[in-house]
Amino acid sequence: EAQVTQNPRYLITVTGKKLTVTCSQNMNHEYMSWYRQDPGLGLRQIYYSMNVEVTDKGDVPEGYKVSRKEKRNFPLILESPSPNQTSLYFCASSLDITSYEQYFGPGTRLTVT
Amino acid sequence: TQLLEQSPQFLSIQEGENLTVYCNSSSVFSSLQWYRQEPGEGPVLLVTVVTGGEVKKLKRLTFQFGDARKDSSLHITAAQPGDTGLYLCAGVFWAGSYQLTFGKGTKLSVIP
Repeated sequence: EAQVTQNPRYLITVTGKKLTVTCSQNMNHEYMSWYRQDPGLGLRQIYYSMNVEVTDKGDVPEGYKVSRKEKRNFPLILESPSPNQTSLYFCASSLDITSYEQYFGPGTRLTVT
Repeated sequence: TQLLEQSPQFLSIQEGENLTVYCNSSSVFSSLQWYRQEPGEGPVLLVTVVTGGEVKKLKRLTFQFGDARKDSSLHITAAQPGDTGLYLCAGVFWAGSYQLTFGKGTKLSVIP
């Protein structure tokens, strides 16, 4: 089944404790991205990747890192999480970077206390 | 980032009623997408419109792309409780590379 998977689905952590949210797709898509979704603010792009070893900042990259060592994986790293990073995070992938028709993962709800 | 304004922000209607959701911008988009998101899940793509004036139908849902490719609408006929969810529009534009921007969404509740 074609899908985007994220882990973990739920995470509660404390300020400053490094964490990684994994994202994997099995559709051989070149384009992958991370979003955060907050009430009243909608979906905002954090980082995106056009292909392996090619990543770029989205609208809200501060406090996040990403890597794209393999085509299928695009982990999101929070080196020192803060409470303002409490949010619902989505990973997405797309075959075609011109049409941008994206497949989203199920989401990761992160709470930083 | 190009701005996409969605309206209304919230919509609560009775089963069987019709509704229209709007997505507007002052910018031109190369294509525009509509997604639906249910609670606890990721957005799911419903349709992509590419040509100005294009109309696409998906069962009871009708999507239209404005002639100038700056706006779009989603019309639902005879809404059902299963249509409840968050509807998001997203526009693709060129800014040195292709970029994607989302509207903030319309939260639809269809009451049985």
